[in-house]
Amino acid sequence: NAGVTQTPKFRVLKTGQSMTLLCAQDMNHEYMYWYRQDPGMGLRLIHYSVGEGTTAKGEVPDGYNVSRLKKQNFLLGLESAAPSQTSVYFCASSYSLYQGARETQYFGPGTRLLVL
Amino acid sequence: AQKVTQAQTEISVVEKEDVTLDCVYETRDTTYYLFWYKQPPSGELVFLIRRNSFDEQNEISGRYSWNFQKSTSSFNFTITASQVVDSAVYFCALRRTGRRALTFGSGTRLQVQP
Repeated sequence: NAGVTQTPKFRVLKTGQSMTLLCAQDMNHEYMYWYRQDPGMGLRLIHYSVGEGTTAKGEVPDGYNVSRLKKQNFLLGLESAAPSQTSVYFCASSYSLYQGARETQYFGPGTRLLVL
Repeated sequence: AQKVTQAQTEISVVEKEDVTLDCVYETRDTTYYLFWYKQPPSGELVFLIRRNSFDEQNEISGRYSWNFQKSTSSFNFTITASQVVDSAVYFCALRRTGRRALTFGSGTRLQVQP
């Protein structure tokens, strides 16, 4: 049981390049999330998904797109990377809401992205 | 709007000392959930505890204890007899009922010196 995994672990991009971050979970969770973490700040929600084929915007969605084609995978895309997107990206997953302790979010190890 | 404040940016203690990490939150909701996560130097986020707003009982888990006081909107975290392995950044977070997103504080970096 690997939990939540993320690939890649680290990436350097040039301004304007595109890339996709992959998140996978093997806990059969319905909900998945993408957060970013910037220095001196807590995590902020970018996008989330409440199930296969559905996505929704979070707090800071601009410049990102997401897709959830399979229940276990949640992809985060940067179409045209900007230096402001230099950050550490965390994926998380949980069971649906209203299930008590089962709706706790569990996080992946993070992807460090540097945009030059 | 909701907000989580961790006023202590960094705390340094010597091993075996007790240390308390403060968390103060703001929300208009009457029902909500509070969390603590640990981020060790390796970078991953480790879930520590979840607390419902209607359950004000304090909780103890080994050397860890949590004090939830609704009257002061605080959810403080105490480590007893700290160890070097406790060195990490600790985040407090809040989730509103019916909402998906966690609102995180800015984190407290704890350094435990041998």
